[in-house]
Amino acid sequence: QVTLKESGPALVKPTQTLTLTCTFSGFSLSTSGMRASWIRQPPGKALEWLARIDWDDDKFYSTSLKTRLTISKDTSKNQVVLTMTNMDPVDTATYYCKIDGYNGWGHYMDVWGKGTTVTVSS
Amino acid sequence: SYELTQPPSVSVSPGQTARITCSGDALPKKYAYWYQQKSGQAPVLVIYEDSKRPSGIPERFSGSSSGTMATLTISGAQVEDEADYYCYSTDSSGNLGVFGGGTKLTVL
Repeated sequence: QVTLKESGPALVKPTQTLTLTCTFSGFSLSTSGMRASWIRQPPGKALEWLARIDWDDDKFYSTSLKTRLTISKDTSKNQVVLTMTNMDPVDTATYYCKIDGYNGWGHYMDVWGKGTTVTVSS
Repeated sequence: SYELTQPPSVSVSPGQTARITCSGDALPKKYAYWYQQKSGQAPVLVIYEDSKRPSGIPERFSGSSSGTMATLTISGAQVEDEADYYCYSTDSSGNLGVFGGGTKLTVL
């Protein structure tokens, strides 16, 4: 069974750096074709794609946020980490981690964590 | 930046067919994915690669894509299908993800 869980601070101050960790089990991000992404959703608003890291360590970022985002993975710890610098109240949102791709048995997977809520306020 | 456009809302009576559209310039070359999100919950994939249904998703959910428009169809919508639905795809490079603005489906 594949599970993902996001963790990080619930409250950050403006200008601070946010670090979120996605800890997963039940699959390997080393498997060819597997990918992990971060998505966020401000209260009452739409989903917004932020970043993606692939099994081969390729990394991709939202055009509008690329200067503030860094995504990385630690395969040995089964974790994916997202950092976002210079936080602002408009970054208040629920942040989700998601994995997708075809596993080693040719089965397409798309699994989300429950999300972690981050509030930016002084 | 690349955008996907969805209608803000769709309303149907129980048992009717609901159709939710998603338009984007790269859709002729890139797959569309559809997510269902109920209040307070994480999104759930209901259609991937334009028209494939994950295991566990009812057969009344189907997807299609033609030209610059992808469509999610719910045949015989049920009250429990009330939710926000988001289309997802990538830009023409295949590397930058994008979600549509979401469509609130009302079944009553």
